[in-house]
Amino acid sequence: DPKIIQKPKYLVAVTGSEKILICEQYLGHNAMYWYRQSAKKPLEFMFSYSYQKLMDNQTASSRFQPQSSKKNHLDLQITALKPDDSATYFCASSPGQANTGQLYFGEGSKLTVL
Amino acid sequence: SQLAEENSWALSVHEGESVTVNCSYKTSITALQWYRQKSGKGPAQLILIRSNEREKRNGRLRATLDTSSQSSSLSITATRCEDTAVYFCAANVGDNSKLIWGLGTSLVVNP
Repeated sequence: DPKIIQKPKYLVAVTGSEKILICEQYLGHNAMYWYRQSAKKPLEFMFSYSYQKLMDNQTASSRFQPQSSKKNHLDLQITALKPDDSATYFCASSPGQANTGQLYFGEGSKLTVL
Repeated sequence: SQLAEENSWALSVHEGESVTVNCSYKTSITALQWYRQKSGKGPAQLILIRSNEREKRNGRLRATLDTSSQSSSLSITATRCEDTAVYFCAANVGDNSKLIWGLGTSLVVNP
């Protein structure tokens, strides 16, 4: 059974709309992350959270807002969607506070913006 | 700019053969990780090798790290069809809570 659950697996949105990507992890980890994977580009770090607090933000746009309602939840709200936001978004977690060890990834949410 | 990169876009081998994926990086690192991503799945870690280590093994996998040439390799022996995936190297840089990823090498293992 997947230990990191991402919902939805696929979604299509229109330009200018808003979507929320859901992530729940059942590994008991304290640190959670969002990564983005686009075609022809390296996996791109977006955010890291530890104990529900933002540790690092490498996303230039404020249109991307992580939300952590519980220790094992880290959702990603994306507003004013653009076609360039089309990508697969991966949630990940790790046991430690900082990203110095193994990351465990979910299966991703593939977003297409028309 | 990309700080970590694999040196081949795609490799193809037959089952049972050995294959090596190479990675180079451009900055000081604390560790180098190798991940595998199968189609439709998230990356899964294979090996983590720290900057003071030269070699690490995990079953049929062997990773090396050469900090002087800023390069790493991942070797897979006795390949199987299920090894077909994209292989990434990812560098831990300083105390930052992020990994710097390469673009990945697509490996196809043919029956």
